[in-house]
Parts: sequence; C-alpha cells; structure tokens
Amino acid sequence: KAGVTQTPRYLIKTRGQQVTLSCSPISGHRSVSWYQQTPGQGLQFLFEYFSETQRNKGNFPGRFSGRQFSNSRSEMNVSTLELGDSALYLCASQAGEETQYFGPGTRLLVL
Amino acid sequence: DAKTTQPTSMDCAEGRAANLPCNHSTISGNEYVYWYRQIHSQGPQYIIHGLKNNETNEMASLIITEDRKSSTLILPHATLRDTAVYYCIVRPHGSSNTGKLIFGQGTTLQVKP
Repeated sequence: KAGVTQTPRYLIKTRGQQVTLSCSPISGHRSVSWYQQTPGQGLQFLFEYFSETQRNKGNFPGRFSGRQFSNSRSEMNVSTLELGDSALYLCASQAGEETQYFGPGTRLLVL
Repeated sequence: DAKTTQPTSMDCAEGRAANLPCNHSTISGNEYVYWYRQIHSQGPQYIIHGLKNNETNEMASLIITEDRKSSTLILPHATLRDTAVYYCIVRPHGSSNTGKLIFGQGTTLQVKP
C-alpha cells in the first residue's frame, strides 16, 4: 500500500499571501489529521477531518482552515501568511482507531 | 498539554540496547501508549503501541509497568540509523479524540559508534 503523500514538499511564500497544502491518505483511511511543527513549539495538532467533516480542532487562529473531499483527500489553507507560519506541516491518516501514519511533510518558508 | 514526560536526551553505543523511558502517571483506562520517532524533520514514523501487556515487533519492544504509569521502549541493537527524536504519546481509543495526537518534546537519542 502506498503511504501518505503530501504536495508540494517545499514552498516559499511572502507575508500576506495564502497557501494551500494537499494530503492524500493511505487507501481506505477516512481520517486525516494535520499538524504544524516549529522549532519553538514542537509538533502541534491543527485539525482532523473524518468523512468530510472536521472532527477535532486545535488551538490555531481562523487563518488556518481545511477541508476533506469525498475520496478522503484533504487540503489545508493558511491565509494572510505571517513569518511565524514558517514550519513543517504534517499530515497523517488512520483507519478507525488504528495507528495514525504520517506523510513526509510540506516545508513552508514565509519571507 | 502532553500527558507524558520523557528525558530530553540520551546516548547509546552502537550495537547496545537503547532503553527509552516515559512517564504517563495520569493515563486513563482507555488510553494506549504509542511510540513514534522522527528522523531529522521527516514525518514521524510509527514504532509500536500497547495497552497494558508488553509488546514486541520487528523494530522494538514496549514494556509497560503493571500500574501503567510508565513504560520503556527498547531498541535491542541500536544502529546509527536509530538516531532520532522519540515521542511517547498516550492516545485514547473509543473516543472522538482518537485522531488528535498530543506530542511532547520527546527524547533525542544519539547512537554513537
């Protein structure tokens, strides 16, 4: 089975722009979770989508949003980018209560 | 906040066993102990998980104390490629929060030649 894939792998944006990141879960996995990793804050949970509905949400501002499509693929969007949004964004998928598996991440640099 | 406490860093000689401890004194009955590792900014890699019995797979062994308040991940023959940050996480089953993993700072394991 193919693993979790994320595109793009690297991205450079400037302050004020918006960005969309994509995640394709493992086949058959209906839950997709997103995380942000920075050197200062570590790995932090952003939100989880299950069957196209947001099931859990972390403590991030409304500039961070996401969605999930009927094929379980998910996107996350960050609007009005700030320098502090520079991070590794990780996506993970799971089937039911089974183990959560992570993708390789998208590294975002905001200039 | 993370429900686990781990040492910040540990060293291990190549070929020796690496024993990584984790405290989770407030663990609930429906929470499993999961271990992941992250090698230099790659995505975290799943290692092993357990509820109350000791578990072993091709990567590692997990020893959970009888009171479930702590656990130890054992890498039986550490190699240089095992150098990584290791995260111990408690994760509920039978809950709508099962998709939300709370990471602590983890333990940086340095395997030395």
